[in-house]
Amino acid sequence: GAVVSQHPSRVICKSGTSVKIECRSLDFQATTMFWYRQFPKQSLMLMATSNEGSKATYEQGVEKDKFLINHASLTLSTLTVTSAHPEDSSFYICSARERGVSGNTIYFGEGSWLTVV
Amino acid sequence: AQKVTQAQTEISVVEKEDVTLDCVYETRDTTYYLFWYKQPPSGELVFLIRRNSFDEQNEISGRYSWNFQKSTSSFNFTITASQVVDSAVYFCAIYNTNAGKSTFGDGTTLTVKP
Repeated sequence: GAVVSQHPSRVICKSGTSVKIECRSLDFQATTMFWYRQFPKQSLMLMATSNEGSKATYEQGVEKDKFLINHASLTLSTLTVTSAHPEDSSFYICSARERGVSGNTIYFGEGSWLTVV
Repeated sequence: AQKVTQAQTEISVVEKEDVTLDCVYETRDTTYYLFWYKQPPSGELVFLIRRNSFDEQNEISGRYSWNFQKSTSSFNFTITASQVVDSAVYFCAIYNTNAGKSTFGDGTTLTVKP
């Protein structure tokens, strides 16, 4: 079946640096990808929606200049956390929407743990 | 708008007990997908099941079973003969095909004690 892969699964970075998380659809084309964030002991919250070849749409309260999303191809979206701070430490997960005969279906990646020290 | 309610914040059972995790959803859409995910202490999200809104057949996979009731907008998850390794946070989610967005419940933390 369709699989969405995220890389890296865990990353530690220093405060002030930038870190990139990749989300790939392995055997299907994803016209839309979604990025979520999970705060400790909380549910997953949608950060932004990205459509291939266009700018991402950010949810209210999400800083677009801090969380850069690029969806350059139908199989790859990237989330770059710029000038990371310890409060950016979180679990980030992406999902991808596949267009199928029966309608849209969606698949989630396994997530990426970011720790900013 | 859509919403997923997992009323049970935490559940604790003893190994070999059966346990049911409740999930109630709200949506105006007629076409949607429902999901259950497991998040073990290691942190990654593990896919358990995806159910199309037009398919109300209940499903069983080993010790796991799911009861989808459209009449009550519920998609409950039962673990039979629970094991310590089942200890995790379990998320229920709905994906709205028209809006193209997923909404997660707050999760239920299941602790299975030996």
